[in-house]
Amino acid sequence: DSGVTQTPKHLITATGQRVTLRCSPRSGDLSVYWYQQSLDQGLQFLIHYYNGEERAKGNILERFSAQQFPDLHSELNLSSLELGDSALYFCASRGRTGLGPGANVLTFGAGSRLTVL
Amino acid sequence: AQTVTQSQPEMSVQEAETVTLSCTYDTSESDYYLFWYKQPPSRQMILVIRQEAYKQQNATENRFSVNFQKAAKSFSLKISDSQLGDAAMYFCAYRSGGATNKLIFGTGTLLAVQP
Repeated sequence: DSGVTQTPKHLITATGQRVTLRCSPRSGDLSVYWYQQSLDQGLQFLIHYYNGEERAKGNILERFSAQQFPDLHSELNLSSLELGDSALYFCASRGRTGLGPGANVLTFGAGSRLTVL
Repeated sequence: AQTVTQSQPEMSVQEAETVTLSCTYDTSESDYYLFWYKQPPSRQMILVIRQEAYKQQNATENRFSVNFQKAAKSFSLKISDSQLGDAAMYFCAYRSGGATNKLIFGTGTLLAVQP
């Protein structure tokens, strides 16, 4: 168990639908990152939140949105789903800056596998 | 923009032997970190080893070690005494030392371990 919790583990839905993926970071981690892993695109960075604020955006579609709540959990909302959105969505949290083995390292959750039919 | 290249889509090694996975990267930054992550069939992304660019000494973690050649922008992973449990997809990743701190991944190398 990495300490990063993602739900649901698996999700099957239809095109045009909307889903929400949830992530709870490791205790004490303020940063949450979302990544998409698909067969044709590999691991793509979507978005980064730090202590509730958006810090960076990557290849995130306008149909996707995310937020980080005061308790530091994060949600990734995917709407108007298309077949090509089928992928494994990872959340990762980052240890605090500074020294030590955990500093600046991204720890990943087990992922949420989304299948769009 | 930074890029990470893994030129070996697949590799195979005999159990107990040593294998080296290659990774090159391109950056104009001086402050950055490099990582190797392992993704077994369970799909969990597991950190194997990390290297700070400012450190000249190559990182080691038990049977895993890296050969970090900063001038050549090369960051290879050596796995010694390979075990069946090492079979997985291995991703090389780059992270800037700046505020964004996102990981940029290579395309991965699928490692098979033969008994």
